[in-house]
Amino acid sequence: KNQVEQSPQSLIILEGKNCTLQCNYTVSPFSNLRWYKQDTGRGPVSLTIMTFSENTKSNGRYTATLDADTKQSSLHITASQLSDSASYICVVTPLSGGYNKLIFGAGTRLAVHP
Amino acid sequence: DTAVSQTPKYLVTQMGNDKSIKCEQNLGHDTMYWYKQDSKKFLKIMFSYNNKELIINETVPNRFSPKSPDKAHLNLHINSLELGDSAVYFCASSQERLLYEQYFGPGTRLTVT
Repeated sequence: KNQVEQSPQSLIILEGKNCTLQCNYTVSPFSNLRWYKQDTGRGPVSLTIMTFSENTKSNGRYTATLDADTKQSSLHITASQLSDSASYICVVTPLSGGYNKLIFGAGTRLAVHP
Repeated sequence: DTAVSQTPKYLVTQMGNDKSIKCEQNLGHDTMYWYKQDSKKFLKIMFSYNNKELIINETVPNRFSPKSPDKAHLNLHINSLELGDSAVYFCASSQERLLYEQYFGPGTRLTVT
């Protein structure tokens, strides 16, 4: 079982609608939690980075939340656009272990339809 | 003015061959990485490297070796390619700090036949 689980695996929404993606993790203790956006055929692009003490972080229409007690994070996308169609990946960095211990979720594939 | 670039974008080769993927960053970052993304889309870090230290993921076979001629370049050399090496390989870079922002290259799709 992966230490970072994302749900749903895939999601289809209509343009203009909101959606929320979930990330549950078992990594503990951890240093930070990130959300990345990966367009098809491209490298991931960082959306938000939160330390264990932060509860929320926004980047435009993207808002990430973190509940360290329940080990859950969510990424909320407001007023979706066609360009939001991509995979969204949750990444947790353990407190110890250095760079080679980044733990990636499998991602949620989001499709925004007109 | 690409921040992190990789070449080639596609690489098709036969089992047993040796190949290299090149990576360059013009962001002035101290640390560079190689990631592997398999068919299930999981990204796994393979190496991180700065001019002080090479950190190797212990699950990476020693057929894979990073080579850094300078801090703007980190090339990935793969010996004796196997079918299971087929994947997309991403290079990335960042400053060496706690909440480092990573910048990824466009990826190299390696197909081993």
